[in-house]
Amino acid sequence: QQPVQSPQAVILREGEDAVINCSSSKALYSVHWYRQKHGEAPVFLMILLKGGEQKGHEKISASFNEKKQQSSLYLTASQLSYSGTYFCGTNSGGSNYKLTFGKGTLLTVNP
Amino acid sequence: EAQVTQNPRYLITVTGKKLTVTCSQNMNHEYMSWYRQDPGLGLRQIYYSMNVEVTDKGDVPEGYKVSRKEKRNFPLILESPSPNQTSLYFCASSPQGAHTIYFGEGSWLTVV
Repeated sequence: QQPVQSPQAVILREGEDAVINCSSSKALYSVHWYRQKHGEAPVFLMILLKGGEQKGHEKISASFNEKKQQSSLYLTASQLSYSGTYFCGTNSGGSNYKLTFGKGTLLTVNP
Repeated sequence: EAQVTQNPRYLITVTGKKLTVTCSQNMNHEYMSWYRQDPGLGLRQIYYSMNVEVTDKGDVPEGYKVSRKEKRNFPLILESPSPNQTSLYFCASSPQGAHTIYFGEGSWLTVV
């Protein structure tokens, strides 16, 4: 079952902050975050592992609440280059390579 | 240059005509996977492989086959394509023990 992302879309002005949430109905071992620009392949941002938190990219950070089976991606002081669709991918154990992705959050940053 | 290469990038085919989408990576990665991406549905995993001759189903394997005879190659086979397999397909790879997944550029497939 796919994790649920919210919001589905968000529009920001350059310099504003945003939070994207990812929620699963299953216990999570890890959460991955990717960004995809239109017409391009997804690009890895960061991974959060059970029992830890990892900051991976520019002014973008994330949290992982294992008990709530949720992860949040924080984008601070957004830049035009942050525009794109953000996906979370979750792993619920078993093979580390079996990822289930959410439907995505479309982020638009305007000047 | 380290990369995941898919071919063809664009294909229009007819229902029932067998086709293969090739995927090759030059990074000596153990893990490879196929995803399809459809509007409003995000990325859905079709099959994945943890090493040569080791494959397993993802979330949407119906209508697809894969093989992993060599470490670098992971072809996706559509034995009898149907219009509902019209989609954007991504191949991906990752080294064992790591978590970063590298995606290919995608293959646009249309089945008419």
